[in-house]
Amino acid sequence: DQQVKQNSPSLSVQEGRISILNCDYTNSMFDYFLWYKKYPAEGPTFLISISSIKDKNEDGRFTVFLNKSAKHLSLHIVPSQPGDSAVYFCAASAGVSNFGNEKLTFGTGTRLTIIP
Amino acid sequence: KAGVTQTPRYLIKTRGQQVTLSCSPISGHRSVSWYQQTPGQGLQFLFEYFSETQRNKGNFPGRFSGRQFSNSRSEMNVSTLELGDSALYLCASSFRTGGGTEAFFGQGTRLTVV
Repeated sequence: DQQVKQNSPSLSVQEGRISILNCDYTNSMFDYFLWYKKYPAEGPTFLISISSIKDKNEDGRFTVFLNKSAKHLSLHIVPSQPGDSAVYFCAASAGVSNFGNEKLTFGTGTRLTIIP
Repeated sequence: KAGVTQTPRYLIKTRGQQVTLSCSPISGHRSVSWYQQTPGQGLQFLFEYFSETQRNKGNFPGRFSGRQFSNSRSEMNVSTLELGDSALYLCASSFRTGGGTEAFFGQGTRLTVV
């Protein structure tokens, strides 16, 4: 049962344009969402997160949008740069507000390729 | 500040053997989690340790076990290795404030079972 889904295994975007990566989840208990970026042979690197009490969080070129009613979140990268080429993972956790669960449930990832 | 350190980086073992992987978290981080990454499966949660106690456990067989020491360093053990255990094993540490914190990952240990 895949509770966090990234339905696009790959995405190609022209340099300078906007990259939009999507993620859907099924568990309504999730209350904290994160995006990670992963290069080959390296561990995932944290990019940006959002709490369920917000619908948008912005950090430089990266913006995450959360639509709780649709159980959907997206990561926008503007403008896209060649160094952004990597695999992006969406992750979610539940019950963090209770000083509890640190378990992250990950999607299967989307490989983003930025075309120069 | 040093990042999460995992040793060894690469390991080749034979079916039936056992293996121990090590993880040193970021200084001050008391929560250590382990994940298995295989092609097409993303990252699957194995378990999480906080203050030397296992707090969460994923859906893996009992052959997968772990422990955490008083200095927050953690080890993961896999006994009776199977070919399907070949994967990248990632360790992550976090401060665990309860308000939702990001986990910081090490570079992983690439385990190959032959």
